[in-house]
Amino acid sequence: AQSVAQPEDQVNVAEGNPLTVKCTYSVSGNPYLFWYVQYPNRGLQFLLKYITGDNLVKGSYGFEAEFNKSQTSFHLKKPSALVSDSALYFCAEAGGTSYGKLTFGQGTILTVHP
Amino acid sequence: GAGVSQSPSNKVTEKGKDVELRCDPISGHTALYWYRQRLGQGLEFLIYFQGNSAPDKSGLPSDRFSAERTGGSVSTLTIQRTQQEDSAVYLCASSRSSGAKAGYTFGSGTRLTVV
Repeated sequence: AQSVAQPEDQVNVAEGNPLTVKCTYSVSGNPYLFWYVQYPNRGLQFLLKYITGDNLVKGSYGFEAEFNKSQTSFHLKKPSALVSDSALYFCAEAGGTSYGKLTFGQGTILTVHP
Repeated sequence: GAGVSQSPSNKVTEKGKDVELRCDPISGHTALYWYRQRLGQGLEFLIYFQGNSAPDKSGLPSDRFSAERTGGSVSTLTIQRTQQEDSAVYLCASSRSSGAKAGYTFGSGTRLTVV
């Protein structure tokens, strides 16, 4: 069965510092991995995805993520955090079914302090 | 339309009443998914549509929950005899085709509060 884990409920960083939001997954077969961001009272906004190809994926708003097969991880990173990056982040996986059912992690609240 | 539209955006209902939540996907998107997001939790899969059929409805939490899709477009999620534990944000997503490669577009959700 698919599963996605985000081990940190909250991440706090200072503006201008690098940020990392962690995600690990478990799926039989090839993983299809996603990161979404959710701002208060808004839907999910797509940041980036890994389907195949380069392990380093670049996405929206300067975010990137590295697919690590041996560690079954897909951590989200940004070299320099902005206060406006403060939001709820979800990692998700869709490789467990042929029709793309997403399995989500529990979410990580990112707070960037000025 | 340009995006996935969900209505109403907010719904407050009394315990025991029935509610209908609507999702209008992007035109031409054949796949449609419903998810539920409870406060402080991740998103739970509810049901998947391909066209008008629902090959996977395994996430519907009880027989009080049902969903349909007509004309390969609009979908309605119905909750009968609502309970307080049904309070959540219900999100809809559509995709050009089934599978992750096509990507997904999410609506802004319906926030359901059962009092």
